Amino acid sequence: DQQVKQNSPSLSVQEGRISILNCDYTNSMFDYFLWYKKYPAEGPTFLISISSIKDKNEDGRFTVFLNKSAKHLSLHIVPSQPGDSAVYFCAASETDSNYQLIWGAGTKLIIKP
Amino acid sequence: NAGVTQTPKFRILKIGQSMTLQCAQDMNHNYMYWYRQDPGMGLKLIYYSVGAGITDKGEVPNGYNVSRSTTEDFPLRLELAAPSQTSVYFCASSYDSRPPYEQYFGPGTRLTVT
Repeated sequence: DQQVKQNSPSLSVQEGRISILNCDYTNSMFDYFLWYKKYPAEGPTFLISISSIKDKNEDGRFTVFLNKSAKHLSLHIVPSQPGDSAVYFCAASETDSNYQLIWGAGTKLIIKP
Repeated sequence: NAGVTQTPKFRILKIGQSMTLQCAQDMNHNYMYWYRQDPGMGLKLIYYSVGAGITDKGEVPNGYNVSRSTTEDFPLRLELAAPSQTSVYFCASSYDSRPPYEQYFGPGTRLTVT
């Protein structure tokens, strides 16, 4: 069973508009969440993270929102740029499992010019 | 500073063959990881290491072995390759396992077993 789910395999957004990528989880013991970005033929690179004690974290154009009661987090990219076209992975970790990351399947974001 | 390097980039193996995927990092990180990514799926942890001489199983360790004789290197050994091991393999490293320490990834090895 998937503990971290990204239900949208792909998302297409106009350049300059907001991109919203969603992630749901089932394990209420997860206490840290991360977003990674992946370009073709490259490994994932860290983008932004959030602790479960917060509900929002912002870094430039990227903001992650966490709704613990709904077990849902989202990544907002404003404004979207062509270089943001990539696959975005949501990952979660739990202190009691040695912080091993559990990954979602990814969402492919396509920014249209 | 090369970060995390992996060799080879691509490999085709016949069923039953063996091979070693190489991984090296030059960031003096204590923690190293091996993941596999199957099409349409998230990354799954195969093995990890918390330092030289110490390794532990992840979520999907069957069919693989690892060793960590130095801080820099963390090779992954496939014995008796099977079609189910066709995947993209990523090596990663981090200074510590605890957030907010991020993992740094290599470019991956695409392995096909036929």
